[in-house]
Amino acid sequence: EVQLVESGGGLVQPGGSLRLSCAASGFTFSNYWMSWVRQAPGKGLEWVAHIRHDGGERYYVDSVEGRFTISRDNAKNSLYLQVNALRADDTAVYYCARDRRLWDFWGQGTLVTVSS
Amino acid sequence: DIVMTQSPDSLAVSLGERATINCKSSQSVLWSSNNKNYLTWFQQKPGQPPKLLISWASTRESGVPDRFSGSGSGTDFTLTISSLQAEDVAVYYCQQYYSAPYTFGQGTKLEIK
Repeated sequence: EVQLVESGGGLVQPGGSLRLSCAASGFTFSNYWMSWVRQAPGKGLEWVAHIRHDGGERYYVDSVEGRFTISRDNAKNSLYLQVNALRADDTAVYYCARDRRLWDFWGQGTLVTVSS
Repeated sequence: DIVMTQSPDSLAVSLGERATINCKSSQSVLWSSNNKNYLTWFQQKPGQPPKLLISWASTRESGVPDRFSGSGSGTDFTLTISSLQAEDVAVYYCQQYYSAPYTFGQGTKLEIK
């Protein structure tokens, strides 16, 4: 059974940082691209970033470029999102999703709240 | 960026009746080399992550009831629920995966009339 479990969210002040993690199981993690998608409270979905199966390519939405870094450790079956210089409009549930050019499995998400 | 626009924003349908949600992309999401539309539909219930319903505009995912169907090509797409069930109450999103950033529609909230 495919499972994706996010962690690392929390309350952080504007300008602060967090490292989000996603633990994957039930599939060969190293064979798949992986994505982060976020959803602000009561709002729609926004794709944030994705990373190639070997980490060799990474792409970001413009609004996070230079502030967020996606990475992975295939030996640990884990995906990460380093989020820096956080702003109030980064407040959202962050989901990781398996990315095979469509997002077929999602985790339950981790909430990041940016507030002073 | 490709802008995805759904209509309507909300929809109330009686149990057993048909529900239709439309999605329009600002540019074609049809890849000419393989004749595939890079368009998915998701269902999201409160407190849950999105669930993939339809890929390639019209391919139902495994386990998705056959009352759900997708159609359309190029820039205009439709999600149809042929006979609405109570468990179909949710927000529905279309998404293009033709080119980054992979954008979603704003969502359509489906309720029971």
